[in-house]
Amino acid sequence: GAVVSQHPSRVICKSGTSVKIECRSLDFQATTMFWYRQFPKQSLMLMATSNEGSKATYEQGVEKDKFLINHASLTLSTLTVTSAHPEDSSFYICSALTSGGAYTQYFGPGTRLTVL
Amino acid sequence: KQEVTQIPAALSVPEGENLVLNCSFTDSAIYNLQWFRQDPGKGLTSLLLIQSSQREQTSGRLNASLDKSSGRSTLYIAASQPGDSATYLCAPTKVETSGSRLTFGEGTQLTVNP
Repeated sequence: GAVVSQHPSRVICKSGTSVKIECRSLDFQATTMFWYRQFPKQSLMLMATSNEGSKATYEQGVEKDKFLINHASLTLSTLTVTSAHPEDSSFYICSALTSGGAYTQYFGPGTRLTVL
Repeated sequence: KQEVTQIPAALSVPEGENLVLNCSFTDSAIYNLQWFRQDPGKGLTSLLLIQSSQREQTSGRLNASLDKSSGRSTLYIAASQPGDSATYLCAPTKVETSGSRLTFGEGTQLTVNP
């Protein structure tokens, strides 16, 4: 149980285009999902916390107009990188929080974004 | 703000050795602590989760201990194998009024040589 999927697993796009990444909890409902970014040789950094039906909470230094997050259902959150540039190239990982006070995050397999 | 430090940053050992990976965190008021494994270019695999009330957890050749009051956790790997080669990440969870938050260390990059 507690499986989280991400789509796509890998995307290459031209500079200036927008890219949407989906994060789904497959066998449980997640009122809260998280988006992380990982640059090469570095650890995961939290970008934003996504709560179903409300606006996402962004970490300091993360541009909310550039990284659009939508959490429209209890099993799906999307991250859209708008007007992507090469410096946005990174590994994006989502996680979903189980309910019931366990506070355990289950992680998706990640999406590798390369902006040319 | 929680800060997590992992020592050593990198470790290279011959197959069969027993290993100790260290993690320290500055805010001891944590809810739980997880150890993850990450293979190059891949996502995270959860290895062990220790609740704040627990001292240790074991899974196969892995044993994780937690000393919450001193802000330390240790991951012990017995009889290491080449397949254990990966980056190991420590991440304590803190629960606040705004929600819960995982903070990751920089990781220990482990290489087990055959």
